[in-house]
Amino acid sequence: KAGVTQTPRYLIKTRGQQVTLSCSPISGHRSVSWYQQTPGQGLQFLFEYFSETQRNKGNFPGRFSGRQFSNSRSEMNVSTLELGDSALYLCASRLGWGNSAKNIQYFGAGTRLSVL
Amino acid sequence: GDSVTQMEGPVTLSEEACLTINCTYTATGYPSLFWYVQYPGEGLQLLLKATKADDKGSNKGFEATYRKETTSFHLEKGSVQVSDSAVYFCALILNTGTASKLTFGTGTRLQVTL
Repeated sequence: KAGVTQTPRYLIKTRGQQVTLSCSPISGHRSVSWYQQTPGQGLQFLFEYFSETQRNKGNFPGRFSGRQFSNSRSEMNVSTLELGDSALYLCASRLGWGNSAKNIQYFGAGTRLSVL
Repeated sequence: GDSVTQMEGPVTLSEEACLTINCTYTATGYPSLFWYVQYPGEGLQLLLKATKADDKGSNKGFEATYRKETTSFHLEKGSVQVSDSAVYFCALILNTGTASKLTFGTGTRLQVTL
């Protein structure tokens, strides 16, 4: 079974631009979460989607948004990029929403975004 | 809020040495606990998990026991290999119906030399 697939693997953007990252979950998984990883702040939760609805959100500004499609694929968008948005963005999928004791999150390889 | 504290790295060991990476947590509810590993240039891989007190998670020679009385989940391996060199993250998630967020520690880099 294929794992979580994130595209692209690398991105270079300039300040003020916007960017869209894509995540395809493991087949049969219906929930997708996004995390930001930086050397300074570590791994931080952005949001989770299930059944095309955002179920939970972390403490990030409104420039960070996402959506989920009917096939469970998800996209994350960052508008008006800032230098501090440079990070590895990780997507994780799990079978469903809730019941976290059994609903393990499996991660993709990430998209490394560099903002110049 | 919820938090995870890991020992500072890097940890440098010779091959076949014993490994312990300390992890303690604070949680507003009853959590499940995890160890994830990140190899260079890759995402996170689940290494092991424990969902209730006294559970022992194990995988690839690594193990960790959920200790509720000391709020700890230390990672151990009896004999490390060069291929174990990576960054190890301890994490928790609350066992509630609506919990989404994994809370991670800062990660501990392990370097194993010949």
